[in-house]
Amino acid sequence: EIVMTQSPATLSVSPGERATLSCRASQSVTINLAWYQQRPGQAPRLLIYNAATRATAFPARFSGSGSGTEFTLTISSLQSDDFAVYYCQQYNTWPPVFGGGTKVEIK
Amino acid sequence: VQLSESGGGLVQPGGSLRLSCKASGFTFGSYAMSWVRQAPGKGLEWVSGVSGGGSGDVNTFYAESVKGRFTISRDNSQNTLYLQMHSLRVEDTALYYCAKVLWPGSTPLFLHWGQGALVAVSS
Repeated sequence: EIVMTQSPATLSVSPGERATLSCRASQSVTINLAWYQQRPGQAPRLLIYNAATRATAFPARFSGSGSGTEFTLTISSLQSDDFAVYYCQQYNTWPPVFGGGTKVEIK
Repeated sequence: VQLSESGGGLVQPGGSLRLSCKASGFTFGSYAMSWVRQAPGKGLEWVSGVSGGGSGDVNTFYAESVKGRFTISRDNSQNTLYLQMHSLRVEDTALYYCAKVLWPGSTPLFLHWGQGALVAVSS
Protein backbone atom coordinates (compact mmCIF):
# COMPACT_ATOMS: atom_id res chain seq x y z
CA GLU A 1 0.00 0.00 0.00
CA ILE A 2 1.23 3.46 -0.90
CA VAL A 3 1.94 5.77 2.02
CA MET A 4 1.14 9.48 1.65
CA THR A 5 3.02 11.91 3.88
CA GLN A 6 2.02 15.54 4.25
CA SER A 7 4.08 18.36 5.68
CA PRO A 8 3.92 20.39 7.71
CA ALA A 9 1.20 19.13 10.01
CA THR A 10 0.26 22.70 10.87
CA LEU A 11 1.00 25.87 8.92
CA SER A 12 0.47 29.28 10.52
CA VAL A 13 -0.07 31.97 7.92
CA SER A 14 -1.29 35.56 8.00
CA PRO A 15 -4.21 36.55 5.76
CA GLY A 16 -2.91 37.69 2.37
CA GLU A 17 0.25 35.63 2.61
CA ARG A 18 1.23 32.63 0.51
CA ALA A 19 0.89 29.08 1.79
CA THR A 20 2.79 26.10 0.43
CA LEU A 21 1.75 22.57 1.41
CA SER A 22 3.67 19.41 0.53
CA CYS A 23 2.63 15.84 -0.11
CA ARG A 24 4.96 12.92 -0.73
CA ALA A 25 4.10 9.44 -1.98
CA SER A 26 6.10 6.35 -1.03
CA GLN A 27 6.11 5.32 -4.70
CA SER A 28 5.17 6.99 -7.93
CA VAL A 29 1.51 7.86 -8.41
CA THR A 30 2.21 9.65 -11.72
CA ILE A 31 -0.23 12.60 -11.68
CA ASN A 32 -3.07 10.70 -9.99
CA LEU A 33 -3.05 12.95 -6.97
CA ALA A 34 -5.90 14.98 -5.51
CA TRP A 35 -6.19 17.64 -2.84
CA TYR A 36 -9.24 18.17 -0.64
CA GLN A 37 -10.22 21.04 1.60
CA GLN A 38 -12.10 20.35 4.82
CA ARG A 39 -13.50 23.14 6.94
CA PRO A 40 -14.55 22.44 10.56
CA GLY A 41 -17.82 20.51 10.76
CA GLN A 42 -18.01 20.04 7.01
CA ALA A 43 -17.41 17.22 4.58
CA PRO A 44 -14.26 17.33 2.45
CA ARG A 45 -14.41 19.14 -0.89
CA LEU A 46 -12.40 18.14 -3.94
CA LEU A 47 -10.03 21.01 -4.68
CA ILE A 48 -7.40 19.73 -7.14
CA TYR A 49 -7.18 16.54 -9.22
CA ASN A 50 -4.70 15.17 -11.72
CA ALA A 51 -2.14 17.00 -9.56
CA ALA A 52 -2.85 20.40 -11.12
CA THR A 53 -6.47 20.63 -12.33
CA ARG A 54 -8.52 22.91 -10.14
CA ALA A 55 -12.13 21.99 -9.38
CA THR A 56 -14.61 24.55 -10.72
CA ALA A 57 -15.78 25.68 -7.29
CA PHE A 58 -12.37 27.01 -6.31
CA PRO A 59 -10.69 30.28 -7.32
CA ALA A 60 -7.41 30.65 -9.18
CA ARG A 61 -5.42 31.44 -6.04
CA PHE A 62 -5.31 27.67 -5.47
CA SER A 63 -2.81 25.76 -7.60
CA GLY A 64 -1.29 22.32 -7.58
CA SER A 65 1.92 20.98 -9.04
CA GLY A 66 4.13 17.93 -9.08
CA SER A 67 4.28 14.41 -10.43
CA GLY A 68 5.65 11.06 -9.42
CA THR A 69 6.23 11.25 -5.68
CA GLU A 70 6.43 14.97 -4.86
CA PHE A 71 3.45 17.32 -4.92
CA THR A 72 2.69 20.85 -3.80
CA LEU A 73 -0.49 22.80 -3.12
CA THR A 74 -0.05 26.55 -3.19
CA ILE A 75 -2.52 29.14 -1.99
CA SER A 76 -1.24 32.43 -3.34
CA SER A 77 -2.98 34.87 -1.01
CA LEU A 78 -4.83 33.38 1.91
CA GLN A 79 -8.38 34.50 2.52
CA SER A 80 -10.43 33.86 5.65
CA ASP A 81 -12.35 31.00 3.99
CA ASP A 82 -9.09 29.18 3.24
CA PHE A 83 -8.20 28.40 6.84
CA ALA A 84 -8.97 24.70 6.93
CA VAL A 85 -7.38 21.26 6.79
CA TYR A 86 -6.03 20.08 3.43
CA TYR A 87 -5.60 16.42 2.53
CA CYS A 88 -3.83 14.86 -0.41
CA GLN A 89 -4.98 11.53 -1.81
CA GLN A 90 -3.51 9.18 -4.37
CA TYR A 91 -5.82 7.37 -6.75
CA ASN A 92 -3.23 5.74 -8.97
CA THR A 93 -3.63 2.31 -7.40
CA TRP A 94 -6.06 0.58 -5.08
CA PRO A 95 -6.53 1.21 -2.25
CA PRO A 96 -6.88 4.99 -2.43
CA VAL A 97 -4.85 6.54 0.36
CA PHE A 98 -5.11 9.92 2.06
CA GLY A 99 -2.31 11.84 3.63
CA GLY A 100 -2.52 12.83 7.27
CA GLY A 101 -3.52 16.40 6.48
CA THR A 102 -2.11 19.89 6.89
CA LYS A 103 -4.00 22.36 9.05
CA VAL A 104 -3.70 25.91 7.78
CA GLU A 105 -4.34 28.25 10.69
CA ILE A 106 -4.39 31.97 11.17
CA LYS A 107 -1.11 33.40 12.40
CA VAL B 1 -26.08 15.52 -6.64
CA GLN B 2 -27.14 14.60 -3.14
CA LEU B 3 -25.87 11.86 -0.87
CA SER B 4 -27.66 11.21 2.38
CA GLU B 5 -26.29 8.74 4.92
CA SER B 6 -28.32 7.06 7.63
CA GLY B 7 -28.07 4.16 10.04
CA GLY B 8 -25.39 5.40 12.38
CA GLY B 9 -25.63 5.06 16.14
CA LEU B 10 -24.14 3.74 19.34
CA VAL B 11 -23.24 0.04 19.42
CA GLN B 12 -21.30 -2.16 21.80
CA PRO B 13 -18.00 -3.74 20.81
CA GLY B 14 -18.68 -6.88 18.80
CA GLY B 15 -21.99 -5.54 17.56
CA SER B 16 -23.29 -4.85 14.08
CA LEU B 17 -24.67 -1.88 12.22
CA ARG B 18 -25.75 -1.17 8.64
CA LEU B 19 -25.22 2.21 7.04
CA SER B 20 -27.19 3.39 4.02
CA CYS B 21 -26.49 6.17 1.55
CA LYS B 22 -29.39 7.36 -0.57
CA ALA B 23 -28.22 9.04 -3.77
CA SER B 24 -29.98 11.40 -6.15
CA GLY B 25 -29.21 13.75 -9.00
CA PHE B 26 -27.10 11.42 -11.13
CA THR B 27 -27.14 8.01 -12.82
CA PHE B 28 -26.23 6.07 -9.70
CA GLY B 29 -25.30 2.79 -11.35
CA SER B 30 -22.71 4.42 -13.61
CA TYR B 31 -20.44 5.55 -10.80
CA ALA B 32 -18.26 3.76 -8.31
CA MET B 33 -19.04 4.61 -4.71
CA SER B 34 -17.01 4.45 -1.54
CA TRP B 35 -17.19 4.83 2.20
CA VAL B 36 -14.59 7.05 3.83
CA ARG B 37 -14.40 7.51 7.58
CA GLN B 38 -12.98 10.07 9.94
CA ALA B 39 -12.34 9.27 13.58
CA PRO B 40 -12.90 12.17 16.00
CA GLY B 41 -10.16 14.75 15.52
CA LYS B 42 -8.33 12.58 13.00
CA GLY B 43 -7.79 12.42 9.25
CA LEU B 44 -9.60 10.70 6.43
CA GLU B 45 -9.44 6.94 5.96
CA TRP B 46 -10.85 5.16 2.93
CA VAL B 47 -12.84 2.13 4.11
CA SER B 48 -14.47 0.38 1.18
CA GLY B 49 -15.49 0.85 -2.43
CA VAL B 50 -17.74 -0.76 -5.02
CA SER B 51 -17.32 -0.47 -8.75
CA GLY B 52 -19.69 1.29 -11.09
CA GLY B 53 -20.52 0.97 -14.75
CA GLY B 54 -23.03 -1.00 -16.71
CA SER B 55 -21.12 -4.20 -17.32
CA GLY B 56 -23.02 -6.13 -14.67
CA ASP B 57 -19.83 -7.16 -12.89
CA VAL B 58 -19.52 -5.64 -9.46
CA ASN B 59 -16.13 -5.42 -7.81
CA THR B 60 -15.67 -4.60 -4.15
CA PHE B 61 -12.62 -3.30 -2.35
CA TYR B 62 -11.77 -3.06 1.35
CA ALA B 63 -9.18 -1.51 3.58
CA GLU B 64 -7.18 -4.13 5.47
CA SER B 65 -8.52 -2.75 8.75
CA VAL B 66 -12.09 -3.77 7.88
CA LYS B 67 -11.61 -6.74 5.56
CA GLY B 68 -13.68 -9.70 6.69
CA ARG B 69 -15.84 -7.57 8.98
CA PHE B 70 -17.46 -5.03 6.64
CA THR B 71 -19.42 -5.66 3.44
CA ILE B 72 -20.22 -3.01 0.87
CA SER B 73 -23.10 -3.38 -1.53
CA ARG B 74 -25.30 -1.31 -3.79
CA ASP B 75 -28.88 -1.45 -5.03
CA ASN B 76 -28.96 0.46 -8.28
CA SER B 77 -32.75 0.16 -8.51
CA GLN B 78 -33.01 2.04 -5.21
CA ASN B 79 -30.05 4.38 -5.80
CA THR B 80 -28.67 3.25 -2.47
CA LEU B 81 -25.25 2.27 -1.18
CA TYR B 82 -24.83 0.12 1.93
CA LEU B 83 -22.14 -0.75 4.41
CA GLN B 84 -22.82 -3.73 6.64
CA MET B 85 -20.50 -3.66 9.62
CA HIS B 86 -19.96 -6.66 11.92
CA SER B 87 -17.61 -7.33 14.84
CA LEU B 88 -17.33 -3.62 15.49
CA ARG B 89 -14.38 -2.37 17.50
CA VAL B 90 -13.83 0.78 19.52
CA GLU B 91 -11.41 1.93 16.82
CA ASP B 92 -14.23 1.85 14.24
CA THR B 93 -15.76 4.88 15.96
CA ALA B 94 -15.92 7.57 13.30
CA LEU B 95 -18.02 9.71 11.03
CA TYR B 96 -18.67 7.60 7.94
CA TYR B 97 -18.97 9.49 4.67
CA CYS B 98 -20.52 8.17 1.50
CA ALA B 99 -18.57 9.43 -1.53
CA LYS B 100 -19.20 9.43 -5.28
CA VAL B 101 -16.37 9.37 -7.77
CA LEU B 102 -15.76 12.17 -10.25
CA TRP B 103 -15.88 10.19 -13.49
CA PRO B 104 -18.17 7.36 -14.61
CA GLY B 105 -16.40 4.12 -13.81
CA SER B 106 -14.28 3.25 -10.84
CA THR B 107 -11.35 5.66 -10.48
CA PRO B 108 -11.38 6.42 -6.72
CA LEU B 109 -11.35 10.19 -6.95
CA PHE B 110 -14.17 11.66 -4.89
CA LEU B 111 -16.12 14.70 -6.05
CA HIS B 112 -19.33 14.43 -4.05
CA TRP B 113 -19.62 13.62 -0.37
CA GLY B 114 -22.50 13.16 2.01
CA GLN B 115 -22.63 14.80 5.42
CA GLY B 116 -21.74 11.60 7.20
CA ALA B 117 -23.23 9.09 9.62
CA LEU B 118 -21.77 8.87 13.10
CA VAL B 119 -20.86 5.42 14.39
CA ALA B 120 -19.85 5.15 18.03
CA VAL B 121 -18.58 1.84 19.38
CA SER B 122 -18.48 1.78 23.14
CA SER B 123 -19.47 -0.37 26.08
